[in-house]
Amino acid sequence: AQKVTQAQTEISVVEKEDVTLDCVYETRDTTYYLFWYKQPPSGELVFLIRRNSFDEQNEISGRYSWNFQKSTSSFNFTITASQVVDSAVYFCGCYNNNDMRFGAGTRLTVKP
Amino acid sequence: EAQVTQNPRYLITVTGKKLTVTCSQNMNHEYMSWYRQDPGLGLRQIYYSMNVEVTDKGDVPEGYKVSRKEKRNFPLILESPSPNQTSLYFCASSEGTSAETQYFGPGTRLLVL
Repeated sequence: AQKVTQAQTEISVVEKEDVTLDCVYETRDTTYYLFWYKQPPSGELVFLIRRNSFDEQNEISGRYSWNFQKSTSSFNFTITASQVVDSAVYFCGCYNNNDMRFGAGTRLTVKP
Repeated sequence: EAQVTQNPRYLITVTGKKLTVTCSQNMNHEYMSWYRQDPGLGLRQIYYSMNVEVTDKGDVPEGYKVSRKEKRNFPLILESPSPNQTSLYFCASSEGTSAETQYFGPGTRLLVL
């Protein structure tokens, strides 16, 4: 079974700081998908990104960027110039062969 | 509007009283699943369904049942709820027959006394 570790339980930053959320995954499979979801204080789960295991290209979407490194089994998420609206719990996940695993989540608080 | 809906959103019940949480999606998605979210544990998959009449256990299926008689609906049944099933429950669906990109419902907060 897969395993996903988000070692940072809580992070607090001041607005405009950059912040990186770490995600380390374990899987025996060569084909898998990695995800990030955001859960704002309102409680819904918002899809952010999906990456398949064959695509190690980093991705940037506005202030968000993702760094996928197979060599270290990591899929880290960076928010540049954080804003108060980025305050949320962020979940990293790994999927393969009908087995979906999420990490415990990282609570990010961005203070004004 | 494309969405996954869950009902009820909030539920307080007592130990042993059977309950059903409904989940419906209007996106014609093949794959549906249920998760529970608990502090410090993240989201854990309870059951999933790759298609109508095809369901299978996830990571934490004990104490739960599901059915998939129609493509759009995937109810979660607690035959005899216990306090350790107090949790936040999410239903999700995705287009293919796997969990490649899942879209989540708004969540159902359940308290079992």
